[in-house]
Amino acid sequence: GAVVSQHPSRVICKSGTSVKIECRSLDFQATTMFWYRQFPKQSLMLMATSNEGSKATYEQGVEKDKFLINHASLTLSTLTVTSAHPEDSSFYICSARVQGSINEQFFGPGTRLTVL
Amino acid sequence: KNEVEQSPQNLTAQEGEFITINCSYSVGISALHWLQQHPGGGIVSLFMLSSGKKKHGRLIATINIQEKHSSLHITASHPRDSAVYICAVKRGYGGSQGNLIFGKGTKLSVKP
Repeated sequence: GAVVSQHPSRVICKSGTSVKIECRSLDFQATTMFWYRQFPKQSLMLMATSNEGSKATYEQGVEKDKFLINHASLTLSTLTVTSAHPEDSSFYICSARVQGSINEQFFGPGTRLTVL
Repeated sequence: KNEVEQSPQNLTAQEGEFITINCSYSVGISALHWLQQHPGGGIVSLFMLSSGKKKHGRLIATINIQEKHSSLHITASHPRDSAVYICAVKRGYGGSQGNLIFGKGTKLSVKP
């Protein structure tokens, strides 16, 4: 299957700082990427849908000013957690949909964020 | 009732056993994904199905669209198969964004 990478895989930061997470599709182009969050022992929850060259669509309850998403190219989307707080500590996972396909979607390995 | 239900929630097996994990859903879908999440959290896409059956190594996934049911089978299970297996369905057809609905996962533990 196609490969999606995330960087970093793990990050620890102090409260109040901002953290950027990158999601890259390595061997395919992705007009649409998705950002999910997973709290311990829970299912993945969609945070936002990122479309190349346009503004992201956020799910209800997700603050767009706190979770900044940029999808600047067909292979890269970034999620920036601004002014992170301990309650933002979670596992963040991206997924990329193959350009031209409505069903082919591949997941990144995830980024574990710990905010002290 | 959740739109995607997995069973069992937890499964313990002995090495070598044949394993089946089930996924039932209640919405119209265009595709179903089986994902594997290891204890460290990383997710691996195992299969994407819209009909029939797919096989990859010791893993087999089947889907019955009429019955709204999919199964993931693992033959000759091994301790390294221990992980959480997640079923996710893509709702409907057309250009809708995201719309993956996730099951709660099945935690598999294979003992040596």
